[in-house]
Amino acid sequence: GQQVMQIPQYQHVQEGEDFTTYCNSSTTLSNIQWYKQRPGGHPVFLIQLVKSGEVKKQKRLTFQFGEAKKNSSLHITATQTTDVGTYFCADPRDQTGANNLFFGTGTRLTVIP
Amino acid sequence: NAGVTQTPKFQVLKTGQSMTLQCAQDMNHEYMSWYRQDPGMGLRLIHYSVGAGITDQGEVPNGYNVSRSTTEDFPLRLLSAAPSQTSVYFCASRAGTGRTDTQYFGPGTRLTVL
Repeated sequence: GQQVMQIPQYQHVQEGEDFTTYCNSSTTLSNIQWYKQRPGGHPVFLIQLVKSGEVKKQKRLTFQFGEAKKNSSLHITATQTTDVGTYFCADPRDQTGANNLFFGTGTRLTVIP
Repeated sequence: NAGVTQTPKFQVLKTGQSMTLQCAQDMNHEYMSWYRQDPGMGLRLIHYSVGAGITDQGEVPNGYNVSRSTTEDFPLRLLSAAPSQTSVYFCASRAGTGRTDTQYFGPGTRLTVL
């Protein structure tokens, strides 16, 4: 069935290095959302991508949606200690019209000062 | 607005005990849901509700019951706790069931079952 795989599971970077996490789906996605969860916290919405090939930026964060709408990525330029946390992608699935959000397994980012 | 609130923040149960995790939202959201988060497993959907009086099962509903008597509240009940239910539980809400509706999460309940 439809499943979104997220890689890598863990990433350790030196402060100032770049970071990228990827989400890949076996089926075409209608749209994809990205969330960030700080250690000990709860997931917080970051951004949503809807259009094929869409690219959105939030300061040092760049989000991309693949041309075939089967993959997405989040890239952080020059990481800072405030970027620490787990990043999740999530896709809505039309079950009984509810469009429940299903989350990838997440990428846990550690930034070494 | 308080957003999505959950109580308690922490709970320890013995196997076989029952309890209710409380969730409330003050954003007049129609859609509410419960997830559990386990290491390496991401967030898995337990139950959801698209409006007062309507509930349905998610990916991992066994061992959990829910009800939605009001728009604001969506409690999650564990009838007979098992160690496999040790997890962090998040309640979430969305304005509606549209594909582009974004989700707001509560702070979570950390449950340990001994």
